[in-house]
Amino acid sequence: GQQVMQIPQYQHVQEGEDFTTYCNSSTTLSNIQWYKQRPGGHPVFLIQLVKSGEVKKQKRLTFQFGEAKKNSSLHITATQTTDVGTYFCAYHSGGYQKVTFGTGTKLQVIP
Amino acid sequence: KAGVTQTPRYLIKTRGQQVTLSCSPISGHRSVSWYQQTPGQGLQFLFEYFSETQRNKGNFPGRFSGRQFSNSRSEMNVSTLELGDSALYLCASSIQGGTEAFFGQGTRLTVV
Repeated sequence: GQQVMQIPQYQHVQEGEDFTTYCNSSTTLSNIQWYKQRPGGHPVFLIQLVKSGEVKKQKRLTFQFGEAKKNSSLHITATQTTDVGTYFCAYHSGGYQKVTFGTGTKLQVIP
Repeated sequence: KAGVTQTPRYLIKTRGQQVTLSCSPISGHRSVSWYQQTPGQGLQFLFEYFSETQRNKGNFPGRFSGRQFSNSRSEMNVSTLELGDSALYLCASSIQGGTEAFFGQGTRLTVV
């Protein structure tokens, strides 16, 4: 199946700094989802993007789907310690609930 | 409403044994999918069930199987356990395929 790579793999930021994780696919995706997994927790759905060039915001989080629908990004403004966790991009295949996850970016926020 | 419930939360098994994990989806959700999460391989799709039918299967050996009951509850079975099967097994439910997936807390399986 399609491979979805995320960079960086790890990121340490000082509290208050911004953070961005990038998701790249070798082929065009019909959709992109983002999940957050806290340490010791389970993935929690954040958002889904389906349109080329789509940008969505959730408070300090900004999600973008590339024009070619091959990449996506998640940007967090002014990180807080509650942002700690691993952020996964993912896509689902057609109408089935088969979600293929990216490699994830582990974010550590230093107070 | 209640979230996705997975039981047991933790399990220790010996190589060669078999194990059954259970997942109760959110009420009204008909799609249940299973994932394996390991530090090395990340989150990998195992299979998805919808209305008691397996609709999709990931790239796992036949030792991994599952089923779904008429009330949408699902079970996953792993036979002839190997050390490499040690992982967090997550189940997710959704109203139907292609929509937001709600994950359970997972079952942490350790094979010794």
